[in-house]
Amino acid sequence: GENVEQHPSTLSVQEGDSAVIKCTYSDSASNYFPWYKQELGKGPQLIIDIRSNVGEKKDQRIAVTLNKTAKHFSLHITETQPEDSAVYFCAASSGYALNFGKGTSLLVTP
Amino acid sequence: KAGVTQTPRYLIKTRGQQVTLSCSPISGHRSVSWYQQTPGQGLQFLFEYFSETQRNKGNFPGRFSGRQFSNSRSEMNVSTLELGDSALYLCASSNRGEGTQYFGPGTRLTVL
Repeated sequence: GENVEQHPSTLSVQEGDSAVIKCTYSDSASNYFPWYKQELGKGPQLIIDIRSNVGEKKDQRIAVTLNKTAKHFSLHITETQPEDSAVYFCAASSGYALNFGKGTSLLVTP
Repeated sequence: KAGVTQTPRYLIKTRGQQVTLSCSPISGHRSVSWYQQTPGQGLQFLFEYFSETQRNKGNFPGRFSGRQFSNSRSEMNVSTLELGDSALYLCASSNRGEGTQYFGPGTRLTVL
């Protein structure tokens, strides 16, 4: 089955800096790659997603890049703010099930 | 549109009991997926329903089951509860199942 690895597991940045989270996947059939943000006591919230026919996608301060050949994709958050502090999950899917990475706990300090 | 709703939000059960969790998807969405979230295993796929049919199933024992009703609402059932079933159970809805899934707040199940 699909195996998704996510790094780093924890990330601490200063407000205004950029944060980068990287994921690799194993199943070449995967064609959909979403990123979720989960705050304490809440369910995961979709923040951005990308499909395999696109190499990069941007939404304001958030961007995702995909390298299908190398089977890795990354989340980039620029100009980080304290409210960006949360756990971020990457996922990969070739159909109905999302296969998640283990998560990255991001702390943005003022 | 209202988001995905899950009830109850918290549950405490004892070993050997069974439990039923409920999920109402976003209006118009016909696919409902269930996931288990634990600190050790992370987020794991349980099963997915579309138009009252289970289309996909994860690697969980038969004690975990589910169903979907004609109005797309879904329930999952766990029988003969074990301590290891303590987890956050998340429901996600999608228009067709493939692609974008929107999660509810989850049901926190504690098994004593």
